[in-house]
Amino acid sequence: GNSVTQMEGPVTLSEEAFLTINCTYTATGYPSLFWYVQYPGEGLQLLLKATKADDKGSNKGFEATYRKETTSFHLEKGSVQVSDSAVYFCALANQAGTALIFGKGTTLSVSS
Amino acid sequence: GAVVSQHPSWVICKSGTSVKIECRSLDFQATTMFWYRQFPKQSLMLMATSNEGSKATYEQGVEKDKFLINHASLTLSTLTVTSAHPEDSSFYICSADQGARGGETQYFGPGTRLLVL
Repeated sequence: GNSVTQMEGPVTLSEEAFLTINCTYTATGYPSLFWYVQYPGEGLQLLLKATKADDKGSNKGFEATYRKETTSFHLEKGSVQVSDSAVYFCALANQAGTALIFGKGTTLSVSS
Repeated sequence: GAVVSQHPSWVICKSGTSVKIECRSLDFQATTMFWYRQFPKQSLMLMATSNEGSKATYEQGVEKDKFLINHASLTLSTLTVTSAHPEDSSFYICSADQGARGGETQYFGPGTRLLVL
């Protein structure tokens, strides 16, 4: 069945460091891929998405490219800020509907 | 942006009691609401999909008689954990969908942490 695997955290970085959070998926067909972010005490928010191979999603300096050949959707940011500290979830939506399948989440902690 | 609330945010109950969790879309009408469950350091697992005015669709392995879902209006869905046991302790998260496909219009609540003693 469909599944999402993302790197275990926590990830601890200094401000302005480069961020990569790896995400790979297993799916039949052509799923849509998402990154959600959960700030402390808040609900999950859509960060970015890509709906087909080679699409690049971007938002707030974050970006991720849908790589079908490696079944990956790695999240990157060139220079993280303290305000980026949160839990990041990689997810996919199967073709049949809007149900989301999530990875376990990666906690990012950025210090000044 | 669209806001989804959950109530309560925290609940502690005794084994054998029932607990109701509310999920509300505050500024939009949700044709579909989803209930997820998350164990520590685990993925969010979809429990059920609920459409306003109809019976919820449960995922395989989720007991429909234990996790009662009611979606009585376009802004409110409730999840009732009946005869709760310690193994039901978890983090329950709802999301609301305005109707577009692909998942990007799902708006998530902040979650409800349930502890059954």
